[in-house]
Amino acid sequence: AQSVTQPDIHITVSEGASLELRCNYSYGATPYLFWYVQSPGQGLQLLLKYFSGDTLVQGIKGFEAEFKRSQSSFNLRKPSVHWSDAAEYFCAVGASTAGNKLTFGGGTRVLVKP
Amino acid sequence: NAGVTQTPKFQVLKTGQSMTLQCAQDMNHNSMYWYRQDPGMGLRLIYYSASEGTTDKGEVPNGYNVSRLNKREFSLRLESAAPSQTSVYFCASSEGARRTGELFFGEGSRLTVL
Repeated sequence: AQSVTQPDIHITVSEGASLELRCNYSYGATPYLFWYVQSPGQGLQLLLKYFSGDTLVQGIKGFEAEFKRSQSSFNLRKPSVHWSDAAEYFCAVGASTAGNKLTFGGGTRVLVKP
Repeated sequence: NAGVTQTPKFQVLKTGQSMTLQCAQDMNHNSMYWYRQDPGMGLRLIYYSASEGTTDKGEVPNGYNVSRLNKREFSLRLESAAPSQTSVYFCASSEGARRTGELFFGEGSRLTVL
């Protein structure tokens, strides 16, 4: 069975500083990987996704993520954080044979200090 | 452009009461999903419908039933609510289940069972 671990429950970062959120997954074959963001009181919005090809993927809002097969990781990064990036971030994994049944990590809540 | 619409947004129930969460999407998507979100546990799949006329259990189906009323609508029913079902429920949709792709989420329904 596939699984996703986000080791950091909370992260506090200063505005303008860089941000990296960790995601480790467990899956037997090549996974489909996603990062979603949830603003307070809202549903989830897709930031970026990895299916195949280039292991560095670009997303919306200036985010990027790198797929590292050897480390079973798909970490999310942003060079300079804005106050509007305060939200909860979820990593998810899916399988080509499982349709769209995504498995989500527990989430990382990001707080941005002025 | 409404996307995925869930009703109600908030509900308080007493143990043993029943209720139905409604979900509708206007993107002509084939697949629809119900997830529950609990602190630290991310989102867990309750039920999904790969296409109109089909439904299948997800990770945590016990205590729930679903109905895919038509292509647009997918409802979640709690027949006899329990405090353990206190959660935030999200409906989502996607183009299809053949290939893992982006899920589009509603804004959520917060349910409290006393």
